[in-house]
Amino acid sequence: QVTLKESGPVLVKPTETLTLTCTVSGFSLSNARMGVSWIRQPPGKALEWLAHIFSNDEKSYSTSLKSRLTISKDTSKSQVVLTMTNMDPVDTATYYCARTLWFGPPYFDYWGQGTLVTVSS
Amino acid sequence: QSALTQPASVSGSPGQSITISCTGTSSDVGSYNLVSWYQQHPGKAPKLMIYEGSKRPSGVSNRFSGSKSGNTASLTISGLQAEDEADYYCCSYAGSSTFVFGGGTKLTVL
Repeated sequence: QVTLKESGPVLVKPTETLTLTCTVSGFSLSNARMGVSWIRQPPGKALEWLAHIFSNDEKSYSTSLKSRLTISKDTSKSQVVLTMTNMDPVDTATYYCARTLWFGPPYFDYWGQGTLVTVSS
Repeated sequence: QSALTQPASVSGSPGQSITISCTGTSSDVGSYNLVSWYQQHPGKAPKLMIYEGSKRPSGVSNRFSGSKSGNTASLTISGLQAEDEADYYCCSYAGSSTFVFGGGTKLTVL
């Protein structure tokens, strides 16, 4: 059974750095045809793709947020970590991690429940 | 990476069919037959409904279908049911291992 679960702070202050962890089970982060993406959704707004990491540690980032994002993984712990620097109230959102399949055209087949992060002083 | 364009809302009566469009550019939707569609009920995580433009994951009703023409992908739901009422998002591969989502469409079943 594939599951993903996000964890991290529910409240961060402006200018602080956010660190979120996605703990996965039911698949291995070393599987060459699978990766993990982070996706966020501000309250009442649309989904926004943020970053992705492959099994070989190759990474990709949203062009608009690239300077603030870092994605990494610890395969032995089955965890993917996203850091976002210089947080702002506009970054208030539910943050999801999702498994990305690359058997052919990529898509997100399993999602975590999401974690709401509020940015406020 | 500009967001894909979706209508803000669509509606239909039970039993009817509706179509949600998703318009991108030649750099994303037009270049790849790689659009996926996600259903999201309030307070829930998105659920994969269509991948690779027109394929359904196991367990997804065959009332959901996808297609593409040029820079526009479409999701059609036939035989509308009350439980189909949700937000729907398209997502396209945009090259270089990046993705772009649509702005989302709220489906109301009248």
